[in-house]
Amino acid sequence: GAVVSQHPSWVICKSGTSVKIECRSLDFQATTMFWYRQFPKQSLMLMATSNEGSKATYEQGVEKDKFLINHASLTLSTLTVTSAHPEDSSFYICSARSIAPGLAGYYEQYFGPGTRLTVT
Amino acid sequence: DAKTTQPPSMDCAEGRAANLPCNHSTISGNEYVYWYRQIHSQGPQYIIHGLKNNETNEMASLIITEDRKSSTLILPHATLRDTAVYYCIVRASFSGGGADGLTFGKGTHLIIQP
Repeated sequence: GAVVSQHPSWVICKSGTSVKIECRSLDFQATTMFWYRQFPKQSLMLMATSNEGSKATYEQGVEKDKFLINHASLTLSTLTVTSAHPEDSSFYICSARSIAPGLAGYYEQYFGPGTRLTVT
Repeated sequence: DAKTTQPPSMDCAEGRAANLPCNHSTISGNEYVYWYRQIHSQGPQYIIHGLKNNETNEMASLIITEDRKSSTLILPHATLRDTAVYYCIVRASFSGGGADGLTFGKGTHLIIQP
């Protein structure tokens, strides 16, 4: 159980175009999903927190108009990279926080497999 | 969240126990120690977490010192598939509290040698 999927797993797009990445919790509901970005040989950096039915909260330095986040249901959040440029090429990872505590009594956070974006 | 310090890299022979240290000297009373790992080009995977008692699950054991200023993740019989970057994260429990994302440090790159 507790599987998070991302689609697509990799995408190549041309500079100036927009790309949408989906994050789905497959067997649990998640009121909160998180979006991270990871550049080569660096650690994950939190970009934004996505709450179902409300506006996302962005970390300092992340442009909300460039990285559009929609969390329309308890199992789906999308990240759209608008007007992508080569510097947006990165590994984008989402995670989902379960709506209910697990067996151990805590709210676990489950990660998706990531989406590799390359902007040419 | 408290800051953690981990060695950048470690080697371990296949079949031996891998012991990964983490220092978190500024940890506060309500903060847990979480361990995740990230295999190359994959999303992070939860391993284990604990507050002050030692913990064990099917993946690993977590040993937390009595003063809680450091901990050790133990992979009892390392295999080649355990080669990954291991992250030690200190934060308040997810339960009930804020829905904050995780702050990842640089982690330890564990390389299992055949």
